[in-house]
Amino acid sequence: QSVLTQPPSVSATPGQKVSISCSGTSSNIGKNYVCWYQQFPGTAPKLLIFDNSKRPSGIPDRFSGSKSGTSATLGITGLQAGDEADYYCETWDNSLGVVVFGGGTKLTVL
Amino acid sequence: QGQLVESGGGLVKPGGSLRLSCAASGFIFSDYHMAWVRQAPGKGLEAIAYIRFSGAVVFYTESVRFRFTVSRDNNRNSLYLQMPSLRAEDGGVYFCARRAPTLTTASEAYDIWGHGTLVTVSS
Repeated sequence: QSVLTQPPSVSATPGQKVSISCSGTSSNIGKNYVCWYQQFPGTAPKLLIFDNSKRPSGIPDRFSGSKSGTSATLGITGLQAGDEADYYCETWDNSLGVVVFGGGTKLTVL
Repeated sequence: QGQLVESGGGLVKPGGSLRLSCAASGFIFSDYHMAWVRQAPGKGLEAIAYIRFSGAVVFYTESVRFRFTVSRDNNRNSLYLQMPSLRAEDGGVYFCARRAPTLTTASEAYDIWGHGTLVTVSS
């Protein structure tokens, strides 16, 4: 059971927009910044979004992040087949004193 | 931009031990906090240990606290994870990751990851 809650899976067709939610509490998302990572099967995760909404260099602006209260959302527009991957949210938990991840969301591009 | 290469994984019996290593290159290792993140087969990511640039340990996740020991050698640009008393549930891919400050005060992210090393605990 992950501290941060994500939907196990989402799906959409190429070109569409998809949103992936990440729900937490006042001790984690409510008080800290959120990161998002993309992971393809058999490979290491890759930083996609940091500080709730900022993109590292090289990440296309089709990827966006937002946060409101104790929830965060990753948005992907202009969906491509190459976006099919697992996506994880992450933040610090003040009560637990550790970094926590969401359980991950598998994105399927139909 | 930086590279991390893990080693030391393998097959070990329950109760056995392993020592994972992570060799860093391409950045000033001693300037950065580092961490270990594991992923059980078919499961999500779990942050298990975090060590500051100075060597002070920030946290262990509850499941490994008092068993695993994270350490670093800044002279050798290396991060380590000593894992005694291994259990079946410790199996998975162990990633070494750099925990770097972001643009915002008191915020960090795992910005560089190694390819991971597989640990299998089975009799």
